[in-house]
Amino acid sequence: EVQLVESGGGLVQPGGSLRLSCAASGFTFSSFWMSWVRQAPGKGLEWVANINQDGREKYYVDSVKGRFTISRDNAKNSLYLQMNSLRAEDTAVYYCARAYYSSGSYARFDPWGQGTLVTVSS
Amino acid sequence: QSVLTQPPSVSGAPGQRVTISCTGSSSNIGAGYDVHWYQQLPGTAPKLLIYVNTNRPSGVPDRFSGSKSGTSASLAITGLQAEDEADYYCQSYDSSLSGYVFGTGTKVTVL
Repeated sequence: EVQLVESGGGLVQPGGSLRLSCAASGFTFSSFWMSWVRQAPGKGLEWVANINQDGREKYYVDSVKGRFTISRDNAKNSLYLQMNSLRAEDTAVYYCARAYYSSGSYARFDPWGQGTLVTVSS
Repeated sequence: QSVLTQPPSVSGAPGQRVTISCTGSSSNIGAGYDVHWYQQLPGTAPKLLIYVNTNRPSGVPDRFSGSKSGTSASLAITGLQAEDEADYYCQSYDSSLSGYVFGTGTKVTVL
């Protein structure tokens, strides 16, 4: 069974840092792009970042560029999101998702982890 | 804010058909980028419902169908059931933003 399990969320003060982790199992992790998607409380979904199979290609939504860093460790089947200079507007549930590409198509996200809540507040 | 617009809510009685629209622009759906749909049941993570405009993953009932035309896409649910009460999101790629975008989300209520 394909499974993604996030961890590392919590309460952090504005300007602080947090590192999220996502443990993958049930598929060949090193063969897939991976993504982070977030959802603010009561709001919709927002794509945050993507990383390719070997970690050399990374893409971010404009609102987190320069503050967040996506990375991966294929030996550990793990995905990470280092979040620095956190702001109140970064408060959200952060989901790890496999970015699945079909031939000729951009990515869809499948499956998703259960999410981890990040709260930025003083 | 999202560049893909969906109605905030739709409702229908059990057994009825409802549709959810996803309106984009020339830099996303209208540029030919595929549309995918997700279902988010209350308190759970999103789940892929329709991929590449019209395709259903294994295990998704054929009551769910997708279509795409011009700068818009639609999700149809026929034979509405109580278990279909959820939030639904469309998703595509936007060349102006150089990133992935989601719709504003639609809450489906079964009356």
